[in-house]
This record gives sequence, C-alpha cells and structure tokens, in this order.
Amino acid sequence: NAGVTQTPKFQVLKTGQSMTLQCAQDMNHEYMSWYRQDPGMGLRLIHYSVGAGITDQGEVPNGYNVSRSTTEDFPLRLLSAAPSQTSVYFCASSRSDRGGEQYFGPGTRLTVT
Amino acid sequence: AQKITQTQPGMFVQEKEAVTLDCTYDTSDQSYGLFWYKQPSSGEMIFLIYQGSYDEQNATEGRYSLNFQKARKSANLVISASQLGDSAMYFCAMTGSARQLTFGSGTQLTVLP
Repeated sequence: NAGVTQTPKFQVLKTGQSMTLQCAQDMNHEYMSWYRQDPGMGLRLIHYSVGAGITDQGEVPNGYNVSRSTTEDFPLRLLSAAPSQTSVYFCASSRSDRGGEQYFGPGTRLTVT
Repeated sequence: AQKITQTQPGMFVQEKEAVTLDCTYDTSDQSYGLFWYKQPSSGEMIFLIYQGSYDEQNATEGRYSLNFQKARKSANLVISASQLGDSAMYFCAMTGSARQLTFGSGTQLTVLP
C-alpha cells in the first residue's frame, strides 16, 4: 500500500492564482481531511469528508474548496491564493470507526508571494 | 468545542532518561479519544499512541505510555529510556462527537547525548 499520497511536495504561487492540491489514499478509508500547519502552531482542520459525496467545514475553511467524488481522492482547491495561505498542508485519512487515528500524507509546502 | 493545551514549548532530556510531555484537554463530550503524534524534522506526522475516554487502563506502545487522568483532564505522554531519535515535535490531539481531530500547539523535545 502507498498509504496517503500528496502532490505536489512544493509549490510557489503568486497572489490571486488558483491551484489544486491532490490527495489520494489506497486504504479504502471513509474519513479524509485537510489540515494546515503554520510555524509554531499545531495542525488546524480546513475541511473533512466522512465519505464520497459528503464534505464539511473544519476550523479554517475560508479560501478553500473540496469535493469527494471517490473514496480514494480528496483534492483541496485554493480559489485565489493569498500570502496568508502560505503554510504546510497535510492530507489525512482514517477508517470511519476510529476517526481520530489518522494516517497522514507527507505534506505540501505552499508559498504564496 | 474541544480544546487541547500543551504548556511546554520546549523540553530537554538526557539520553536514556524518561520524560513526560504534558497535555490537558477540555471537552463536553462523554466519549472522546486522545492521541499523541510525533513530527520529526523531516516533517511527517507519525501516530504514537491512543487512549479512549472509557479505557480503564493507561495505553502503552513500546517505550510510549499515556498517563490518562480523566478527573484532571490530562493525557500526558511518557517516553521511557529516551533515544537521540526521539528528538522531534510532539503533538497531543483529541477527537470527540464531531469526529474532528483537534491538535495542541506542540512540544519540541530535544534529547541530549
């Protein structure tokens, strides 16, 4: 199993550009989520999904969109990048019966200039 | 709402000694889970240990144990016989009825030779 994969690993955007961070898992997990990690802080939940076709907002959803058309994939879209979105982004997945024990992807380091 | 507090931004420990990393939590849920994750300098998030709110015994995983004191709402991580490879950021996290994982701000542990 590849586990949770994320692409790209690094990205530089200009203010106002849009892009999609990709996330995929091959463990047939129902629960998937996106977090951002800023320096000196823990991870904060952006959006999550409890199954295909179902998504919901986390703690810091503004400026981001998600969709879940398949169990495997959970892309995160930045609509119009801002310098405040410079961060490291982690995707995670877990079985639905233990939602907190999450398997994390390697992260995407995003810089917005 | 649930909240995790880690009051030790940094800790130092001598190699082969034990160390306790503090974590307190706040939640109105009766059923919840408590987790510890390790983040080495390479950036990945590594699951260490889990404790359910109804578990009567403290969780243990190898050199890691979780000192769960429900009345005090604390879930401290104890690492026995510290190794140089234990130097990393450690995050306490919890999940409850909302099935969203909430993280603390982390503790940077440095193991000294």
